[in-house]
Amino acid sequence: GAGVSQSPSNKVTEKGKDVELRCDPISGHTALYWYRQSLGQGLEFLIYFQGNSAPDKSGLPSDRFSAERTGGSVSTLTIQRTQQEDSAVYLCASSLYYGQGYEQYFGPGTRLTVT
Amino acid sequence: GENVEQHPSTLSVQEGDSAVIKCTYSDSASNYFPWYKQELGKRPQLIIDIRSNVGEKKDQRIAVTLNKTAKHFSLHITETQPEDSAVYFCAASEGGADGLTFGKGTHLIIQP
Repeated sequence: GAGVSQSPSNKVTEKGKDVELRCDPISGHTALYWYRQSLGQGLEFLIYFQGNSAPDKSGLPSDRFSAERTGGSVSTLTIQRTQQEDSAVYLCASSLYYGQGYEQYFGPGTRLTVT
Repeated sequence: GENVEQHPSTLSVQEGDSAVIKCTYSDSASNYFPWYKQELGKRPQLIIDIRSNVGEKKDQRIAVTLNKTAKHFSLHITETQPEDSAVYFCAASEGGADGLTFGKGTHLIIQP
């Protein structure tokens, strides 16, 4: 079946502009996660959704970052007033259920470059 | 919150030899420890995981060991092959907590 997909695959934007990143999880997966991977670094957890609800937003780097999920499926990560330090690969993952060590399947990521 | 340390950052081994990557974690409540492999330009993929009620798990040439008392876990790859070359990430999770906390990765290089 289809895996996790993300769009766009690459995004170049000017500092100060807003960007929206999209994630389509595996059909039927109730949990969805967003991570950020900076060049040569590990993955930094940003936020998760259980259904459409995000119980804890404390992992978001700043109030310029927001995320939503609708219909228990597609999720968007929005970065307002982008800064150069926002440049990274943004990865989305989904799992069948939340918690209890269910495998997280990753999407291909969106490479964001802020100039 | 959880903190995961991973060593070494780079590991070069001869083809056919074994490779060992080690991770430590800080939160004693963590109970799920996956390992991901990421090839250049590709997405991370789960290769093996272990839960806190198990001390060791093996899948063909890959094994993971967990020492909950010492709060460390290790990935062992035997009979390494060129296709094992990649970046490997360990991670820890409380299971019901927020996402996975990842180590910074180990670049494994298999020398022919």
